[in-house]
Amino acid sequence: DGGITQSPKYLFRKEGQNVTLSCEQNLNHDAMYWYRQDPGQGLRLIYYSQIVNDFQKGDIAEGYSVSREKKESFPLTVTSAQKNPTAFYLCASSAGPYNSPLHFGNGTRLTVT
Amino acid sequence: RKEVEQDPGPFNVPEGATVAFNCTYSNSASQSFFWYRQDCRKEPKLLMSVYSSGNEDGRFTAQLNRASQYISLLIRDSKLSDSATYLCVVGFSGGGADGLTFGKGTHLIIQP
Repeated sequence: DGGITQSPKYLFRKEGQNVTLSCEQNLNHDAMYWYRQDPGQGLRLIYYSQIVNDFQKGDIAEGYSVSREKKESFPLTVTSAQKNPTAFYLCASSAGPYNSPLHFGNGTRLTVT
Repeated sequence: RKEVEQDPGPFNVPEGATVAFNCTYSNSASQSFFWYRQDCRKEPKLLMSVYSSGNEDGRFTAQLNRASQYISLLIRDSKLSDSATYLCVVGFSGGGADGLTFGKGTHLIIQP
């Protein structure tokens, strides 16, 4: 059964440490996304990739990095430069940009202390 | 980036009632429209895409009003399990890296 998988579900880190969130999809989708959701806020785009080996910054890319070496995988690294990293992180994929529905992973809840 | 606005609620509705809420968008060139449902501390899940002619899926009906720039979601015979936050998403080919703008959601509570 096709889907998109994020791991881990919960992640705890000390301030100053980099951490990588995993996102894998087997939907054969070209486009992949990373969003951040804070309480009472809408989803905000961190990074977007339309194709392998290419990605674009979203609205809040500072302090984050990504790679897209394989179509199926789009890992997100939260670096120590991110000032307020505690949040709910959602990975998504779609068949195409803006006009295809997003399929979301079940999210990673990151807590940095 | 253009805005998408939703009434945050919460909307408290008795079970079995009909409830409707809107989502307004400011970019008249918007091209695609979606409703997602998000349960507490879970990921959003696609409820339905919204087509120009309107569309229905069981108890759910979505409509698009381009003239007034809003989409609507109507839920008939509401169930306790319909309690969730409903997110509106609007797409536009010139709208940022992903072309998508999310509303902040409308919180719906169905009461027994």
